[in-house]
Amino acid sequence: QVQLKESGPVLVQASETLSLTCTVSGFSLTNYGVIWVRQPPGKGLEWMGIIWRNGNTDYNSALKSRLSINRDTSKSQVFLKMNSLQTDDTAIYYCTRVSTGFDYWGQGVMVTVSS
Amino acid sequence: DVVMTQTPVSLSVSLGGQVSISCRSSQSLVHNNGNTYLSWYLQKPGQSPQLLIYKVSNRFSGISDRFSGSGSGTDFTLKISRVEPDDLGVYYCGQGTQYPYTFGAGTKLELK
Repeated sequence: QVQLKESGPVLVQASETLSLTCTVSGFSLTNYGVIWVRQPPGKGLEWMGIIWRNGNTDYNSALKSRLSINRDTSKSQVFLKMNSLQTDDTAIYYCTRVSTGFDYWGQGVMVTVSS
Repeated sequence: DVVMTQTPVSLSVSLGGQVSISCRSSQSLVHNNGNTYLSWYLQKPGQSPQLLIYKVSNRFSGISDRFSGSGSGTDFTLKISRVEPDDLGVYYCGQGTQYPYTFGAGTKLELK
């Protein structure tokens, strides 16, 4: 069945770089896009960016200067890197598959940015 | 950016009752290809969001027919009939028509 699982550090120092991995199973990254969404504690959802099935990427302009998304299709993994972290980047980070909606979501990883 | 405005912010409902949630977008969500990429998600406490409805009115696999979506252009509605305990949580609308994709602020459904 379709599964996505985020992994990465739970605590990052301010000004450092966040690196997260989304490992997928049950589908191919060459057939579906994957997006990253984050949710600060007690708040709503923010779309961060997408890597399409052809490998092209699009980013939220609010994050574009700090964010990159790429993938390794042979390992079924999507990677998020975001630099210059600040405390307001503290959030649950989700990866989700893109179909006609965001149809399958990972469990999320809570990342705390410490000053 | 397309701003998604959800109302109400919270709803109290009795089990077995019916509720409606409104979602309005600041711009039309009709894509150049003719599709309208408006979806509804439910986030239960402590869980990831789950897709309920896509492209305005299509139920995702396994979603009960108690959930229905409607609307067009900039004005959309999610209706939930015969509310059950498992329906409680925060409902979000989201648009995938225009970058950046955006979500409403959420509507919390609670028991009366």
